[in-house]
Parts: sequence; structure tokens; C-alpha cells
Amino acid sequence: EPEVTQTPSHQVTQMGQEVILRCVPISNHLYFYWYRQILGQKVEFLVSFYNNEISEKSEIFDDQFSVERPDGSNFTLKIRSTKLEDSAMYFCATEGIGYGYTFGSGTRLTVV
Amino acid sequence: QQQVKQSPQSLIVQKGGISIINCAYENTAFDYFPWYQQFPGKGPALLIAIRPDVSEKKEGRFTISFNKSAKQFSLHIMDSQPGDSATYFCAATGRRALTFGSGTRLQVQP
Repeated sequence: EPEVTQTPSHQVTQMGQEVILRCVPISNHLYFYWYRQILGQKVEFLVSFYNNEISEKSEIFDDQFSVERPDGSNFTLKIRSTKLEDSAMYFCATEGIGYGYTFGSGTRLTVV
Repeated sequence: QQQVKQSPQSLIVQKGGISIINCAYENTAFDYFPWYQQFPGKGPALLIAIRPDVSEKKEGRFTISFNKSAKQFSLHIMDSQPGDSATYFCAATGRRALTFGSGTRLQVQP
């Protein structure tokens, strides 16, 4: 079964540093998403990406966040200046035609 | 209006029993209601989903019941097994971004 691959699985970073989380989508999927899950809490939508541009974003996705698909395969989430409250699991999800997400296994981001 | 309220927060069921998890929503624009299963350290995995034009959908031991007028939907797990022990999230969407419920931690005791 096709998988969404996320790297790294765990990232520890100093507060104020930039981090880039990477995702390799399923090859024929067209819609890409980032979600986050603070420990023990619900999954929250951050941003959706289609046709090389952001199609929707939440209030969480402020100017510190950016997404891109630099090489036509990887889909990245960048956090420019991390804060302690950015510590969470970050999930990439991709979707083909119609509804039906496939989530990756996530990147655990720890900001210290 | 974007919230999806999920209950209970946790649930303990004996093996072979029925697990029932409930969700309620406010936004009438929602038109797709999936349930996700999440094991520790893993991403959510789609379990079953329903659209509001049907009142029930069954896939194996998993059934979604949908009440459009009450804006409620529920997941029933029949013959619950220890391997079903996980966190379950309901979700809803009317566009593409999913709004998740707060999750239910299910423990099935052998």
C-alpha cells in the first residue's frame, strides 16, 4: 500500500532556530496538507497545498510557517523561528481524487 | 461553529463487547465525516467514512450511524478486540481541511 514518508521522525531544536520538516507524498496525489498534534490533544489543520500554492490555512499557520514543494517530489514545512509551543507531532497528509487522506507517521518536534 | 465535539474521552470495553463513540457538529456545510484510528507513534489512519445522504455505513465490524437532523454521528465497533485498542478521532469537512474531534482512547480488555 502506498505510504506518505516523513523525515526526520524526531527533531530537537533550540528555541529561535529554523526547522524544515519533509514529506514525500504518494506519487499521484494532488493535494497536500500539514497537520499538527500537541501531545495528548486533537489533530489540528495547519495548511493545504494544491497546484503549487496554498489553498487554505488555519489561524495557527502564521508568518513563522511556510510550505513549498521545491523539487516536485518533497513537500516541506518550514518554521522560521521556533517557539516552545511549536513542540508537537507534525503530520503530512496527501490526497488523490475525491476525499481520502493518507497520513504519514509524523515528525516529533521538540523545541528546547 | 467549526468544532466537532467527541465523547467519551476514554472508554474501556471487554473483549467481544460493543464500543460506541459519539460526535456532534454545528457546521451544516460539512459533507464528509471520516473516522480515524491512531496507534501510539503513528499517524491517523482512515477507518471508515460517511456522507450525509445515508444514515448508516458498515464495513466489517465497524459501523457509522449518521443523524443529519441532530447533526450527530457515531462509530460502533462490534465484537471489540484487544487489537482495537487505540485512539479514535471523528472528523468532518466541507471543503478539504479536516476538523477533528478531541479523540477517544479505547481500551479493550481481554
